[in-house]
Amino acid sequence: GQNIDQPTEMTATEGAIVQINCTYQTSGFNGLFWYQQHAGEAPTFLSYNVLDGLEEKGRFSSFLSRSKGYSYLLLKELQMKDSASYLCAVSPASNYGGATNKLIFGTGTLLAVQP
Amino acid sequence: GAVVSQHPSWVICKSGTSVKIECRSLDFQATTMFWYRQFPKQSLMLMATSNEGSKATYEQGVEKDKFLINHASLTLSTLTVTSAHPEDSSFYICSALPKGFAFFGQGTRLTVV
Repeated sequence: GQNIDQPTEMTATEGAIVQINCTYQTSGFNGLFWYQQHAGEAPTFLSYNVLDGLEEKGRFSSFLSRSKGYSYLLLKELQMKDSASYLCAVSPASNYGGATNKLIFGTGTLLAVQP
Repeated sequence: GAVVSQHPSWVICKSGTSVKIECRSLDFQATTMFWYRQFPKQSLMLMATSNEGSKATYEQGVEKDKFLINHASLTLSTLTVTSAHPEDSSFYICSALPKGFAFFGQGTRLTVV
């Protein structure tokens, strides 16, 4: 089956660094995505990892270890506007091993940034 | 700017009626689109894959006769919730992948009263 786990909620302080973890067990793997979702809005793309290692994009970085089925999203210099849900999503393989383009989402982590 | 447009943003309907939600790809052709549903404080659950010119592929547990999907053109997929009931009230979101990762529509908040 497909299983993606994230912490339900996290709290951090403005200006600090926070790491949101994601572990996954899926039937095949064609990439891991992180999305940000503010309440009542659609998700917006943050990052994509398909190879092991760290991908950095401004204040946001994402790490992947395929052998461990593990990823994290790192947010630096937190701002109040970063308060949102962060969704980890995996693109599984098809029955034939190719890409499916569909995404399996984790439960999401609700991050609250406090002054 | 938005690459996937969804309409309407919100809709309230009476129990037993049907509601149609549109998802359009802007400036690109989408042979495949995806429909998700999100209940309050929960994550997105994939409902079905919409395929242009052929039948949609539904995820396990999703009633294909209740959630009708039509992908008649390369830029438009529609989701019709038939005989809606209060338990169908949810946030419905479509997505397409013009650049290798999913762009989402604005979402449709459906409330069935």
